[in-house]
Amino acid sequence: GQNIDQPTEMTATEGAIVQINCTYQTSGFNGLFWYQQHAGEAPTFLSYNVLDGLEEKGRFSSFLSRSKGYSYLLLKELQMKDSASYLCAADARDDKIIFGKGTRLHILP
Amino acid sequence: NAGVMQNPRHLVRRRGQEARLRCSPMKGHSHVYWYRQLPEEGLKFMVYLQKENIIDESGMPKERFSAEFPKEGPSILRIQQVVRGDSAAYFCASSPPIGSTQYFGPGTRLTVL
Repeated sequence: GQNIDQPTEMTATEGAIVQINCTYQTSGFNGLFWYQQHAGEAPTFLSYNVLDGLEEKGRFSSFLSRSKGYSYLLLKELQMKDSASYLCAADARDDKIIFGKGTRLHILP
Repeated sequence: NAGVMQNPRHLVRRRGQEARLRCSPMKGHSHVYWYRQLPEEGLKFMVYLQKENIIDESGMPKERFSAEFPKEGPSILRIQQVVRGDSAAYFCASSPPIGSTQYFGPGTRLTVL
């Protein structure tokens, strides 16, 4: 079956670091997406990992381990505007992307 | 380069009416995807289309829902005889001929009274 697991909610403090984990099981796998979605808005693309390892992009980094079916999104120097849902999505076979339910991140001042 | 366009942004229908949701992909994108998102839920895949072809409709309910992506014009998601349970945000995404990254439109929020 196809399954994406990520925590439902997380809370962190402004200026801190937070790691959002994601595990996946899919029938095929090309890569792993992370999207950010603010309430009432469309998801926006953050990252796409194909190879194992860490990819850094400014304050956001994404990690992938294909052998473990595991990824995480790391957010540094948290800002209030980072309060949003973060969607983990597996790029499965046949151009289909399977989305997790999202992790709602609350940032406290 | 305009992003993915969807209209209307908000749509209110009474039970039994038809809802038509439109999506214009980004310029140069030939693949269109429709997703449904219920409050507090993740994005659920509905259908994947290329011009004049339905590639995968495994996420589409068997009845009342249909989708098309004609040679000219936007992709249309059509819901006939809407029911309250159809109330949701419907997002369209597009991707280029090569590459997996999908770019999302602003969504259409359907409310069924």
